Amino acid sequence: GDSVTQMEGPVTLSEEAFLTINCTYTATGYPSLFWYVQYPGEGLQLLLKATKADDKGSNKGFEATYRKETTSFHLEKGSVQVSDSAVYFCALSLYASNTGKLIFGQGTTLQVKP
Amino acid sequence: DARVTQTPRHKVTEMGQEVTMRCQPILGHNTVFWYRQTMMQGLELLAYFRNRAPLDDSGMPKDRFSAEMPDATLATLKIQPSEPRDSAVYFCASERDNYNEQFFGPGTRLTVL
Repeated sequence: GDSVTQMEGPVTLSEEAFLTINCTYTATGYPSLFWYVQYPGEGLQLLLKATKADDKGSNKGFEATYRKETTSFHLEKGSVQVSDSAVYFCALSLYASNTGKLIFGQGTTLQVKP
Repeated sequence: DARVTQTPRHKVTEMGQEVTMRCQPILGHNTVFWYRQTMMQGLELLAYFRNRAPLDDSGMPKDRFSAEMPDATLATLKIQPSEPRDSAVYFCASERDNYNEQFFGPGTRLTVL
């Protein structure tokens, strides 16, 4: 079945370090791919998305490129801040099938220390 | 700033009691989702509606859970009777058709003793 696998956390970095959170997926169709972020005590917020192969999503200094050949959508940021500490979820949706359902990875906790 | 609202934000109840959680989707969003988040299972989709019609509730325990949309501004998730294993954070999310982005509410943290 369709699934998303993320690297296990927690990931602990110092401020201004480079961030990579790995995400790979399995899907039978042509999914759209998403990164959502959850700050403590809040709901999830869309961080960025890509709807087709080779698309790059970007927002707030975060980037991810849809790689069909490696079925990956790794999240990167060049210089993290303490305020980036949160849980990050990779997700896919088979919108082409008009279901609108999101399939989430297990989430990766990022902790950034000053 | 349009947001999804959920009530209550926190609920503590005893096993066997009925629990009702409410969600107000963003005005104009015609698809509403219910998720459950636990440490062990992560985020699970329980049910979702489009134009108030249930499309998929396969993620929901049928014997005790029910989800409805009495009107376009209100979605409800009911558990009767509640059990300790239902303790979790329940999120509602809404989406405008074909816009490819779900907006999440702040969640209801449920504790069943």
